Amino acid sequence: DAGVTQSPTHLIKTRGQHVTLRCSPISGHKSVSWYQQVLGQGPQFIFQYYEKEERGRGNFPDRFSARQFPNYSSELNVNALLLGDSALYLCASSTTGLGNQPQHFGDGTRLSIL
Amino acid sequence: RKEVEQDPGPFNVPEGATVAFNCTYSNSASQSFFWYRQDCRKEPKLLMSVYSSGNEDGRFTAQLNRASQYISLLIRDSKLSDSATYLCVVPGTGTYKYIFGTGTRLKVLA
Repeated sequence: DAGVTQSPTHLIKTRGQHVTLRCSPISGHKSVSWYQQVLGQGPQFIFQYYEKEERGRGNFPDRFSARQFPNYSSELNVNALLLGDSALYLCASSTTGLGNQPQHFGDGTRLSIL
Repeated sequence: RKEVEQDPGPFNVPEGATVAFNCTYSNSASQSFFWYRQDCRKEPKLLMSVYSSGNEDGRFTAQLNRASQYISLLIRDSKLSDSATYLCVVPGTGTYKYIFGTGTRLKVLA
């Protein structure tokens, strides 16, 4: 079975642009979470989605938005990009997203803002 | 106090050594804990889940101390391939947020 897949792998954008990152969860997993990881830090929680509904949101500005589709894949959108948005964006899936289950991560999208 | 706290290291140890890392957490209601391993510029990979007092998998042992609110990860007979960053994760209670520590860097030296 395929693991969590993310696209694209790398992306270079300029300040003010918009970006869409994509994630397909492991088959059978209905929950998708998004994280931002900057160098030297642990991943920071952005969103969790379950059955197309947002269930949790981290401390990120409204420029960050996401959605989940009927097939449980997900998109993360970031508007008005800032230099500080340069990071590794990780998607993770689990069966229900409940705290008693570990999450499984995709390879991530490395976003660089010039 | 930070929600999840780890010593960033690096811990430099010779091959064959035993090394232990601690992770402290602030929410006394937390029930589940996870250790992930992350190689440089790669995604975190699940190493171990901890639901009760502890868990063991080969050379790796995780222990939970609820009274002092910390979990530890012990690696015995360290291998060069164990060099990585080890992330402690504590799911939030009453939220769906998974909280990561900053990670502890381990370098196993030949």
